[in-house]
Amino acid sequence: SQQGEEDPQALSIQEGENATMNCSYKTSINNLQWYRQNSGRGLVHLILIRSNEREKHSGRLRVTLDTSKKSSSLLITASRAADTASYFCATVINQAGTALIFGKGTTLSVSS
Amino acid sequence: DARVTQTPRHKVTEMGQEVTMRCQPILGHNTVFWYRQTMMQGLELLAYFRNRAPLDDSGMPKDRFSAEMPDATLATLKIQPSEPRDSAVYFCASGLSEEDEQYFGPGTRLTVT
Repeated sequence: SQQGEEDPQALSIQEGENATMNCSYKTSINNLQWYRQNSGRGLVHLILIRSNEREKHSGRLRVTLDTSKKSSSLLITASRAADTASYFCATVINQAGTALIFGKGTTLSVSS
Repeated sequence: DARVTQTPRHKVTEMGQEVTMRCQPILGHNTVFWYRQTMMQGLELLAYFRNRAPLDDSGMPKDRFSAEMPDATLATLKIQPSEPRDSAVYFCASGLSEEDEQYFGPGTRLTVT
């Protein structure tokens, strides 16, 4: 069963606008990660946030984590056409011997 | 520039044929993962290894799929016999542990006719 669910499934914005994607999950986690996938390529790790962290930044990316609501958000500021991709959240649940579980992703289209 | 490599990048085969996909993880990574990605199911974890030992292959159809790590530099995923429903992109990824960031290969696009 899917641990992480991204929302929205698809998002279209103009260059320069901010893009916000959300991820909800079901069980307690050790950490949550965001990945990007360009069409036809492998996934690329963007950022990892641990369960005891609330916010993390990396360049134009800002990730928040609310463990009480079991949700996370990824904000991309000042988006560019090159940000067009699918974005996935992945969780490591709080259970020994388990690996990342990926959601189905949000497809972001940034038009110039 | 360390990266995960996968071969072949594309494979077209007929139903019933054996398919072998190979992956070279990043040197020093002791955790290797195999995923399958389709439009319908998204990204599914098939199996993963830690220090070459299989830890979880519950996502893999056991009757036709097998995954091995003959040595630390090679992971293989084999399908025998292949079926049209196996058509997908198969990704290999490696990392320092199950919890750390994973580095993905470019994938093998498999088409079974």
